[in-house]
Amino acid sequence: AQRVTQPEKLLSVFKGAPVELKCNYSYSGSPELFWYVQYSRQRLQLLLRHISRESIKGFTADLNKGETSFHLKKPFAQEEDSAMYYCASRGASNTGKLIFGQGTTLQVKP
Amino acid sequence: GAVVSQHPSWVICKSGTSVKIECRSLDFQATTMFWYRQFPKQSLMLMATSNEGSKATYEQGVEKDKFLINHASLTLSTLTVTSAHPEDSSFYICSAIPPGLAGVLKTQYFGPGTRLLVL
Repeated sequence: AQRVTQPEKLLSVFKGAPVELKCNYSYSGSPELFWYVQYSRQRLQLLLRHISRESIKGFTADLNKGETSFHLKKPFAQEEDSAMYYCASRGASNTGKLIFGQGTTLQVKP
Repeated sequence: GAVVSQHPSWVICKSGTSVKIECRSLDFQATTMFWYRQFPKQSLMLMATSNEGSKATYEQGVEKDKFLINHASLTLSTLTVTSAHPEDSSFYICSAIPPGLAGVLKTQYFGPGTRLLVL
């Protein structure tokens, strides 16, 4: 069964510090991996996806198939990065449905 | 970009009553919409996939008679919580996928959510 694990409920860092939000997945095939972000009082929105290999708002994430991980990284955290971050996977069945991890709250302190 | 709305944004009801939540795609047609449930400070749990013109596909453990889904048009899906009880209190979120995209380009756009409180 498809599963996404985010081991940290809360990650608190100071402004300017590096950030790494961990995500591990389990899936027998080749899933698509995503990071979604939910800022306070706002709806969930897509941050980035592994297939695009892009950097959004300074965040990057590399798919490591050997470790079945898709950790989200940013070299220098900003206060406006404080939000809830969800890692999600989508199987190859083309149903489109996403399976979410438990979420990690990132708190960037001034 | 694609916009998904939900109505109402919050609702309080008495135990035993039924509550209907609407999910609309405002500027695109969506043959597929999804309904999620989110408990406080917890993850989104997929409840069901709503398919326009056909029956919804429910995830394991979700009572289809309890959570009725109707996707009557390409821009509207409704979730009805029947005979609601306090344990049904939660944050319900819908999402939709714009048409014309395939495979890895499919992006889900999320609604703002509906908070349900059953007294």
